[in-house]
Amino acid sequence: NAGVTQTPKFQVLKTGQSMTLQCAQDMNHEYMSWYRQDPGMGLRLIHYSVGAGITDQGEVPNGYNVSRSTTEDFPLRLLSAAPSQTSVYFCASTQGGLAGGRNEQFFGPGTRLTVL
Amino acid sequence: ELKVEQNPLFLSMQEGKNYTIYCNYSTTSDRLYWYRQDPGKSLESLFVLLSNGAVKQEGRLMASLDTKARLSTLHITAAVHDLSATYFCAVDTSLIQGAQKLVFGQGTRLTINP
Repeated sequence: NAGVTQTPKFQVLKTGQSMTLQCAQDMNHEYMSWYRQDPGMGLRLIHYSVGAGITDQGEVPNGYNVSRSTTEDFPLRLLSAAPSQTSVYFCASTQGGLAGGRNEQFFGPGTRLTVL
Repeated sequence: ELKVEQNPLFLSMQEGKNYTIYCNYSTTSDRLYWYRQDPGKSLESLFVLLSNGAVKQEGRLMASLDTKARLSTLHITAAVHDLSATYFCAVDTSLIQGAQKLVFGQGTRLTINP
């Protein structure tokens, strides 16, 4: 079990460039999320998905797109990178449900993105 | 808009002492989570609190939830250096139970000195 994997680990972009951050999980989890973490702050939810084909916006969705064509993958697209999107991005997944403590959310290792 | 506030934001303490981190939130929720983050690392799940009065303990850490007061606490007993990290609480705002649409606190950076 690899858990939640993210690629790349580091990325530098120029303003206006686009890119896709990859996220995959091999735990057959229904729910997946993308967060960003800025220095000295907690995580803020960008987008999340409750299953293949279903996504919704979080707190800070502007400038980002997501899709969920399979249970395993949840890529995050930056449409036109801006310096304000310099951050650490975390993908997370959870099986969902509340019974038996199966509610733990697993986080990927993160992608450190710098936009110049 | 839901606000989740932790205090203190910074905490420096001596080994062997006890202390409590507080997490207040501004809307009704009965699902709250605590995470640990080491510098440059990802988040590690510590506790899942799913009802009023829930109390969970793991080693020197104990977490509790009072949904009426909209307050959760993370209590550290007889601190050791290995517990130095940043601790986050997060409140689940999803309408679908278990979907975990989380709003995080700012984090408490805990430093434990020998």
